[in-house]
Amino acid sequence: DTEVTQTPKHLVMGMTNKKSLKCEQHMGHRAMYWYKQKAKKPPELMFVYSYEKLSINESVPSRFSPECPNSSLLNLHLHALQPEDSALYLCASSQAGTSGGPGNEQFFGPGTRLTVL
Amino acid sequence: AQTVTQSQPEMSVQEAETVTLSCTYDTSESNYYLFWYKQPPSRQMILVIRQEAYKQQNATENRFSVNFQKAAKSFSLKISDSQLGDTAMYFCAFLPNFGNEKLTFGTGTRLTIIP
Repeated sequence: DTEVTQTPKHLVMGMTNKKSLKCEQHMGHRAMYWYKQKAKKPPELMFVYSYEKLSINESVPSRFSPECPNSSLLNLHLHALQPEDSALYLCASSQAGTSGGPGNEQFFGPGTRLTVL
Repeated sequence: AQTVTQSQPEMSVQEAETVTLSCTYDTSESNYYLFWYKQPPSRQMILVIRQEAYKQQNATENRFSVNFQKAAKSFSLKISDSQLGDTAMYFCAFLPNFGNEKLTFGTGTRLTIIP
């Protein structure tokens, strides 16, 4: 199974709502990522979890709160978002650590299209 | 810090023709990986091809091949016999080999295959 799944596919929320994005992989990967992607732009890294610990936080506002309950799951909790947070949110996974292996290539999910009203 | 530059924001080519997308990068690392990712309008990011910097041989995957010039820090993607399904945004990306999972993307090239 070489698939990363994300739910929901689309999400519309108000600025006062609380919602969560979910990501799951069953490839035995120990690194998982959240990216934000605006239209016609490359993905911007938000968070990296390695062995279920947050290893990179790209100075993302606290209204985004990541959670890694186990090695297969990654959540992104959203609260008090702004309209400029509307974007495609991509999850990815890869092998982790310094061994290199097959290049630690990242496998991406289909994304959640988020609209903040 | 690494930078990745894609100087062609948009390209178009007739179906069945060959097209080359350019990518240059800047790094002080000696060990790293380079990738080309494809993102069709359906939006899922798909890995097209991978190159290890320590390998001199250029990577190939069916109709996709790269021209990796390490000294020039150049990593172009050649698509042969282009197909309508190749229409997508293509991102070049850089990954250091050790202890850093941060993938650096270029700004992308929007490729359109014309029937």
